[in-house]
Amino acid sequence: GAVVSQHPSWVICKSGTSVKIECRSLDFQATTMFWYRQFPKQSLMLMATSNEGSKATYEQGVEKDKFLINHASLTLSTLTVTSAHPEDSSFYICSAVAPRSRPEQYFGPGTRLTVT
Amino acid sequence: ILNVEQSPQSLHVQEGDSTNFTCSFPSSNFYALHWYRWETAKSPEALFVMTLNGDEKKKGRISATLNTKEGYSYLYIKGSQPEDSATYLCAANAGGTSYGKLTFGQGTILTVHP
Repeated sequence: GAVVSQHPSWVICKSGTSVKIECRSLDFQATTMFWYRQFPKQSLMLMATSNEGSKATYEQGVEKDKFLINHASLTLSTLTVTSAHPEDSSFYICSAVAPRSRPEQYFGPGTRLTVT
Repeated sequence: ILNVEQSPQSLHVQEGDSTNFTCSFPSSNFYALHWYRWETAKSPEALFVMTLNGDEKKKGRISATLNTKEGYSYLYIKGSQPEDSATYLCAANAGGTSYGKLTFGQGTILTVHP
């Protein structure tokens, strides 16, 4: 099956620092990846769509300058939380679309970010 | 943006019981309905993707149905086992420019007691 990895699985950082989260499709090429976040007792919410070789598109209310997305290759998308603040503490999870099995999406295990 | 709701929020059953959950979604501009099984510290596992009204899919003891006209999907587990304990998520995606963007329900937490 299609496998997606995420790194790190958890991270603690100080307020004001930046954190990079990687999402990799291990056995397939993904032209499109999605980034979601989940706050406690809430649903997974889509943040942005990451397209290989082009700019990411962000959902309403998500600051593109704060959540930088780079999809430089067909197997890697990165999410950088810049100048993190405690309110950015959340669970971030990515998904990838394998062209041969659209519309199915394959998810990574997620990253727990805690900003102190 | 779709509004997806799941019920119940949590469910406790005994081993061997059969159970089912509901996912409701707006029937307009619908493209696909996804079911995932999510165990703690693991990736959500894709169970089913359904697009057509009346679709029924089965994977072992788990099956799902789709009614796009009234906007609901059922997930059934026959003869629940402790290893079925997980959070079951449904997600809908619309068509057009929203293709691929999943809107998730809050999930149903299933606990199967031995």
